[in-house]
Amino acid sequence: QVQLQESGPGLVKPSETLSLTCIVSDGSISISTYYWGWIRQPPGKGLEWIGSVHNSGTPYYNPSLKSRVSFSVDTSKSQFSLKLSSVTAADTAMYFCARYSGRLGEPFDIWGQGTMVAVSS
Amino acid sequence: DIQMTQSPSTLSASVGDRVTITCRASQSVSGWLAWYQQKPGKAPKLLIYKASSLESGVPSRFNGSGSGTGFTLTISSLQPDDFASYYCQQYNSYPFTFGGGTKVEIK
Repeated sequence: QVQLQESGPGLVKPSETLSLTCIVSDGSISISTYYWGWIRQPPGKGLEWIGSVHNSGTPYYNPSLKSRVSFSVDTSKSQFSLKLSSVTAADTAMYFCARYSGRLGEPFDIWGQGTMVAVSS
Repeated sequence: DIQMTQSPSTLSASVGDRVTITCRASQSVSGWLAWYQQKPGKAPKLLIYKASSLESGVPSRFNGSGSGTGFTLTISSLQPDDFASYYCQQYNSYPFTFGGGTKVEIK
């Protein structure tokens, strides 16, 4: 079964840019059916959808984060990435990547294990 | 944005109990509602999709129901492995939104 694996720095300084990558184990990032999302969870709190990207590069943003977020897809490396700019302590969270099928109408069925990112000087 | 409200936020129960968690949407999401289980330090796991469809491999003691703006997740007989947090999520429209979560604790 496909596996997702997040990677990136565990510590980011305030005002800098957080960059994370998610590797898709089976190359299915090239299949147009799938969409690839980022979800985060601050310590002790609930889940927040950051946004999603299709392998065509089409992005879908959470309006609350849109001004600071960008996505990219590299099908040759079977990975997709998240950049979150101008981070503050409020961006400290576990960041998950996840997969869903179809632009709408399907839940997140495959999740990465998550990577913890702390924002601190 | 569609707001998802879960209740209760915490629930204390014993093994064997029947447990019900409620999720309400601020506007209709039709049947595009999922339930996830999350254990500490782990990723959420999909339990229920399309409000009432059981994900493959999920025990039949988990049951989802509802449509429109009101949904429930019922665990018919709570097992030790079920003590966890549960989240609803609407995927009817962007931005996707989650409920605040329900933590099921041992009584």
